Amino acid sequence: QQQVKQSPQSLIVQKGGIPIINCAYENTAFDYFPWYQQFPGKGPALLIAIRPDVSEKKEGRFTISFNKSAKQFSLHIMDSQPGDSATYFCAASILNTGGFKTIFGAGTRLFVKA
Amino acid sequence: NAGVTQTPKFQVLKTGQSMTLQCAQDMNHEYMSWYRQDPGMGLRLIHYSVGAGITDQGEVPNGYNVSRSTTEDFPLRLLSAAPSQTSVYFCASSRIDGTNQPQHFGDGTRLSIL
Repeated sequence: QQQVKQSPQSLIVQKGGIPIINCAYENTAFDYFPWYQQFPGKGPALLIAIRPDVSEKKEGRFTISFNKSAKQFSLHIMDSQPGDSATYFCAASILNTGGFKTIFGAGTRLFVKA
Repeated sequence: NAGVTQTPKFQVLKTGQSMTLQCAQDMNHEYMSWYRQDPGMGLRLIHYSVGAGITDQGEVPNGYNVSRSTTEDFPLRLLSAAPSQTSVYFCASSRIDGTNQPQHFGDGTRLSIL
């Protein structure tokens, strides 16, 4: 029930394309869904996040779509650029005693062709 | 502002050796955590802390010890290294305000156990 399933494992798109990465969860107690971007040799960095009371959030070229009833959420990258080539992780967080616990998806390696 | 600093960046150990991975943050965050990243498995939570003197286990705590004597530091100890602990280790920190919050990651320690 604590798993977060992410797909696809890898993705190749042309510059200007719209890659879509999907995630699904089981535990309805999760109440925060961040996406992290990771470049080689670096730690993950927060890209965008959503809470379950909204169905969509946009920040620049990045959009999260959230379907609470289906327990699914996805990341869309508009007008993708070679600089977007990175590994993307979805995650889901749940509050617990004194803090919170975050479960990560397995990651998607995105390559944007110039 | 350094953020989250991890040392060392790389380390090679022999089976059975002990080692401490260091993590320090300068953002006065109450919450600190350790993850390991393995190919195809995302990030898995090892241990976390919600404040000085308070630690708890994550998903994969076996073989690892932690302590939190100050707000700034959260070292991870391997008491007797095993080849299965070969991985990239990330430390992260976050503030706590009763809601889920994004985490700030260090750039990782790449550990090989021979």
